[in-house]
Amino acid sequence: QQQVKQSPQSLIVQKGGISIINCAYENTAFDYFPWYQQFPGKGPALLIAIRPDVSEKKEGRFTISFNKSAKQFSLHIMDSQPGDSATYFCAAYNNAGNMLTFGGGTRLMVKP
Amino acid sequence: DSGVTQTPKHLITATGQRVTLRCSPRSGDLSVYWYQQSLDQGLQFLIQYYNGEERAKGNILERFSAQQFPDLHSELNLSSLELGDSALYFCASTRFWQNTEAFFGQGTRLTVV
Repeated sequence: QQQVKQSPQSLIVQKGGISIINCAYENTAFDYFPWYQQFPGKGPALLIAIRPDVSEKKEGRFTISFNKSAKQFSLHIMDSQPGDSATYFCAAYNNAGNMLTFGGGTRLMVKP
Repeated sequence: DSGVTQTPKHLITATGQRVTLRCSPRSGDLSVYWYQQSLDQGLQFLIQYYNGEERAKGNILERFSAQQFPDLHSELNLSSLELGDSALYFCASTRFWQNTEAFFGQGTRLTVV
């Protein structure tokens, strides 16, 4: 019940295209859903996050879409750039247990 | 720069040995979290300390232990090391005990040979 399933494992997108990464969860106690971006040799960095009382959150080119009934959420990167090439992790937070559970990660490559 | 400092950046050691990884949280942060990142397991939560006390425990082996000192820095001790312990170990910190908006350090790459 603590699992967060992330897909795809890897993604190649042309510059200017839209990158879409999907996550699904089972535990309805999760109440905070962040996305982290990790560049090689660096630690994960918080990118954008959403709470389940909203269906969408946008920050610049990054948008989280959240579907509470389906227990799914996704990250959309608009106008993808080569500098966006990184590994992206979705995560889900359970306030009761103070646990942040990560998805398996998606390696994004944006081709020039 | 996240403000979280981890040392050393790289560590190579032999099986059966013991190592200590160190983490200094962001200034003002009271909570420290340790994560293990391996190729096949992704990011796995190990343990959390808040203001010097253990707050939450994840998939941490009995061979591993951690502590947080009065100056809030934390150490992760790994003993009787096995080849499978080779991984990236990350420390993260948050202002309070809730594990939201965590800031991660650059990690320590441990290689057990």
